[in-house]
Order: sequence, then C-alpha cells, then structure tokens
Amino acid sequence: NAGVTQTPKFRVLKTGQSMTLLCAQDMNHEYMYWYRQDPGMGLRLIHYSVGEGTTAKGEVPDGYNVSRLKKQNFLLGLESAAPSQTSVYFCASSNRVSGYTFGSGTRLTVV
Amino acid sequence: QQQVKQSPQSLIVQKGGISIINCAYENTAFDYFPWYQQFPGKGPALLIAIRPDVSEKKEGRFTISFNKSAKQFSLHIMDSQPGDSATYFCAASGKTDSWGKLQFGAGTQVVVTP
Repeated sequence: NAGVTQTPKFRVLKTGQSMTLLCAQDMNHEYMYWYRQDPGMGLRLIHYSVGEGTTAKGEVPDGYNVSRLKKQNFLLGLESAAPSQTSVYFCASSNRVSGYTFGSGTRLTVV
Repeated sequence: QQQVKQSPQSLIVQKGGISIINCAYENTAFDYFPWYQQFPGKGPALLIAIRPDVSEKKEGRFTISFNKSAKQFSLHIMDSQPGDSATYFCAASGKTDSWGKLQFGAGTQVVVTP
C-alpha cells in the first residue's frame, strides 16, 4: 500500500543512548517532515526537508538531527536521548497539491 | 507560542448530536486550513480543508465554517456517531510557506456516547 512507513513503532531508550528513526514514503513526494506529539501540545515540527539533500529546522529542533540522502527516506536521529524526548514521533510527506500523509508513528520512551 | 489556537480541549456529545470545534489564528498570510482526524495508535489523516475564498465547505457530515474577518474557522460534525470518536486537529499554512508547512492546533478529543 502506498504511504508513509515509520520504523520502529516502539522503542525504549536509556538516557544518553542514541537512535535513528526511519521514515520511508513511496508517493514521490518532495517534502517530508518530522513532528513530535505530546499531550496538550498538538503536533510540533522538529525538522523538515523540501527535497533530496536538503533539511531545515522547525519549531523544536534541539537534540535532534536529520538527513535526507534519498528522496524517499527521511531519518531522524537522537544523539544523546533525554527524558524530555519521550514522545510520539510522526513523519509526514506532501507535495504542492496534496495534503500531508502521515505515518503511524513511533512511540519513544526515554528512561 | 502556538500560531493556531484550538478549543475546546475535549468534548463529549451524544450520538446524533452536533460536535463543534473552533480554531483561531493571527497570521493573515495563512491561506489553507485543513482539519485532521486521528484515531488512537494511528497517524492523523486529512479530513477536510478550506481556502479563504469560500465561507463554508461541506463533505458528508463534516462542515468547515470560515470567518476571514474574525480569523476563525470551525469544524461541525453533524449527526455525530460513535465512530467519530477521535482527536481532531485544525491546522493552517500560508502564502510564504510555498511548500505547505502546517501549523497545528493543540487538538480536541471528541467522545461520542451511544
């Protein structure tokens, strides 16, 4: 099925550990985004990309890095996880005519 | 601070009733206003969207009302059903964001009782 696939779906990290979240889309969308969702805060943009090889900071970029080496993939990295990064992470993609298509999310707990 | 303010945070409505969710924005450059529906354990999905050249858009039981002068827009769910129980997010993006970066409201959890 066409769409946005996120891996992993769940992860528990210890403080200070690192990890990478993978987002893959098969709709040939130019734009990709990483959001975090926290209760009462809505969806907050972490980083985004307007095309292969480009990335930019969103509202809450601190503690995260991203890479878009291939058009279909957008990676979100946590170099040194902190409890404040416990959240649900959503990847989305879009083009100029479509709305966002979201993945099903990654639930991350940092202990 | 959030550029799109959404209320209420939650609401409970009986089956067959009307659910109303309101959003307000400040940025007059916004020109695209979608609503997303999210079920537990799933990502948000586009429900309905409006541009400011119209004051209302209806798709089935879902209607967006848009008031450009007041910088407000709302979602009405008519004849609410238990299957409509979900979290709803309003959002907005503007002319300056040619690639469509969305600003989201904080979300409203809707519970429809049988």
